[in-house]
Amino acid sequence: QSVLTQPPSASGTPGQRVTISCSGSSSNIGSNYVSWYQQLPGTAPKLLIYRNNQRPSGVPDRFSGSKSDTSASLAISGLRSEDEADYYCAAWDDRLSGPVFGGGTRLTVL
Amino acid sequence: EVLLAESGGGLVKPGGSLRLSCTGSGFTFSNAWMNWVRQTPGKGLEWVGRIKSKPDGGTIEYAAPVKDRFTVSRDDLRNTVYLQMNSLRFEDTAFYYCATGSISITGFDFWGQGTLVTVSS
Repeated sequence: QSVLTQPPSASGTPGQRVTISCSGSSSNIGSNYVSWYQQLPGTAPKLLIYRNNQRPSGVPDRFSGSKSDTSASLAISGLRSEDEADYYCAAWDDRLSGPVFGGGTRLTVL
Repeated sequence: EVLLAESGGGLVKPGGSLRLSCTGSGFTFSNAWMNWVRQTPGKGLEWVGRIKSKPDGGTIEYAAPVKDRFTVSRDDLRNTVYLQMNSLRFEDTAFYYCATGSISITGFDFWGQGTLVTVSS
């Protein structure tokens, strides 16, 4: 049972826009920055978004993040087959005094 | 290019010990906050512990499930962070990744390829 709640799966067709939600509480998302990670099959996670909506260099602007109250979202526009991966949200949790992750969302490109 | 390489994983019996290492290159290791994150095969990610850089105080923090059993340390001369795991349990079986950064400031910005720890009798 993860502290942050994500839908287990999402899907879309090439070119579509897909959003993945991440729900938390006042002790994590509600009071701290959210980051997002992409994990391609058989590889380590990769940072996609930090500080709610900032992209590291090299991450395409097709990926965007947002946050409102105790929820956050990752949006992927212009969906491509190579976007098929697991996506995780994360945030610091003040009550647990450490980072917490969502359970992950498996994105399928149909 | 930033590279992180974990080593030291393997098969260990319940109650046993193992030490993981993570060596970094391509960045100023001594200024980096270093984390350990684990992932049970087929499951999600779980933060294990963190050591801040010495300039930032060198503070060490642990997740509740591993506190008092695991120890994080660093050797900045060797550009290496360690995870000493004692009193291992079946539920500690996972891929263990090292990652740089602060979840709130930079995110976990670089990750190693991971090393598998299997706790089995």
